[in-house]
Amino acid sequence: DGGITQSPKYLFRKEGQNVTLSCEQNLNHDAMYWYRQDPGQGLRLIYYSQIVNDFQKGDIAEGYSVSREKKESFPLTVTSAQKNPTAFYLCASSIDPSWAQPQHFGDGTRLSIL
Amino acid sequence: ILNVEQSPQSLHVQEGDSTNFTCSFPSSNFYALHWYRWETAKSPEALFVMTLNGDEKKKGRISATLNTKEGYSYLYIKGSQPEDSATYLCAFPLYNFNKFYFGSGTKLNVKP
Repeated sequence: DGGITQSPKYLFRKEGQNVTLSCEQNLNHDAMYWYRQDPGQGLRLIYYSQIVNDFQKGDIAEGYSVSREKKESFPLTVTSAQKNPTAFYLCASSIDPSWAQPQHFGDGTRLSIL
Repeated sequence: ILNVEQSPQSLHVQEGDSTNFTCSFPSSNFYALHWYRWETAKSPEALFVMTLNGDEKKKGRISATLNTKEGYSYLYIKGSQPEDSATYLCAFPLYNFNKFYFGSGTKLNVKP
């Protein structure tokens, strides 16, 4: 079955540590997205990628980095510069980077500080 | 940053009740409005993508309407069932940058 796989499901970060959240899709989608959810808030866009080797910052990109070396993979690194990383992270993809295309989501990664 | 608002924040209904909730978005520069359903311990699932003023979409007992001139969309659930319990999200894309702005959701709980 096609879908989006996020791993790990739970992740713990120590002070000063960088951690990487994995997102893989086998839907052959061009566009991929990373969102962050905090309690009581809507999903907020961290980064998005319209095509391989291209990515753009969302509204809350500070302290995060991404790469898009392969169509199916869009890993998110939470760096030590992100001072409040505790949140639920969702990866999504869409067939193309159009406002008219629905997004397909993974199951999410919950990141906590040790 | 765009403001996409959903109301109410939560809703408790009895099985069989019909219910509706609202998504409000900026009425200028409209391109589309997305609705998603997010069940607990699952991933969000697309319900509708609405693009035209006056549009009405239907999927089983769930339907949605769109008013782009006044900047709102309604989601209706007819004869709610316990399996409809979920958080319903709307999202408004910003065309120039393919950025999507999500509301904080309406959490629906349907009691058997």
